[in-house]
Amino acid sequence: EVQLLESGGGLVQPGGSLRLSCAASGFTFTSYAMNWVRQAPGKGLEWVSTVSGNGGTTYYADSVKGRFTISRDNSKNTLYLQMNSLRADDTAVYYCAKLNEWRFYYFDLWGRGTLVTVSS
Amino acid sequence: QSVLTQPPSVSAAPGQKVTISCSGSSSNIGNNYVSWYQQLPGTAPKLLIYENNKRPSGIPDRFSGSKSGTSATLGITGLQTEDEADYYCATWDSSLSAGVFGGGTKLTVL
Repeated sequence: EVQLLESGGGLVQPGGSLRLSCAASGFTFTSYAMNWVRQAPGKGLEWVSTVSGNGGTTYYADSVKGRFTISRDNSKNTLYLQMNSLRADDTAVYYCAKLNEWRFYYFDLWGRGTLVTVSS
Repeated sequence: QSVLTQPPSVSAAPGQKVTISCSGSSSNIGNNYVSWYQQLPGTAPKLLIYENNKRPSGIPDRFSGSKSGTSATLGITGLQTEDEADYYCATWDSSLSAGVFGGGTKLTVL
C-alpha cells in the first residue's frame, strides 16, 4: 500500500528539541523529493521544508531556517525533521508529503500528520 | 500573511457552482504550476487539481482548475454537502526558493 506514516510528535518545552520521522511505503522512495508541511491549530497550511530525492538539496521556510533540519535515509525509506530551539509558534500538526515531480510541483501523497505542542 | 491570496470563505447552495480564486505574482503562479488541495475537517489535505487544470484519478469532473497570468481559479459545480471543506492553492516561488500555500478558503454548502 502506498502510504506515509509520521511519528515523533509530542509535548516539548520552549527551547527544546524533537525529531519527527516519516516512514514511506509502496513507492520508490529515492525517486521523489519529500516535504514537511505544518498546520497550526485553526490555521492554514504552511510549507516547512523540502529535500531532494538523493538528499543533496534542501530548502527551508524562513520561519524555521537555522533551527530545523530536513534529512532522509533512503536505505530505510524514511524522512526526518530535526527541530531545535522550538518556540510556541511551532505548535502544529506536521504532515509529511511526497512531491510528484519538481517541475510540476504538487504533493500527491500526504501522511496523517503528527502533533507537536511546544509549551511549558 | 500568505504569499498567495485566497478569499477566507465562500458559500453556495447545493447544486450550485462556486469559484475560489488564488492570486500571486510572477515569481510564483506566473511562472510555475498551481495545485489545489481539499482538506475535510480533521483530515489530511488531499490533492484535487495539479498542473493548473488536471484531476487525479478518482476526483470527479465537478472540480476544475484554471490559470491566467498570476492568478488561478478552482471551480466546483453541482455542489454537494460533502464538498464542505477548506481549499488551498499551492505552487513554488522561484524568488523565495520556497513552497507557498494560499491562506485557505472555507467552503460552506448552505
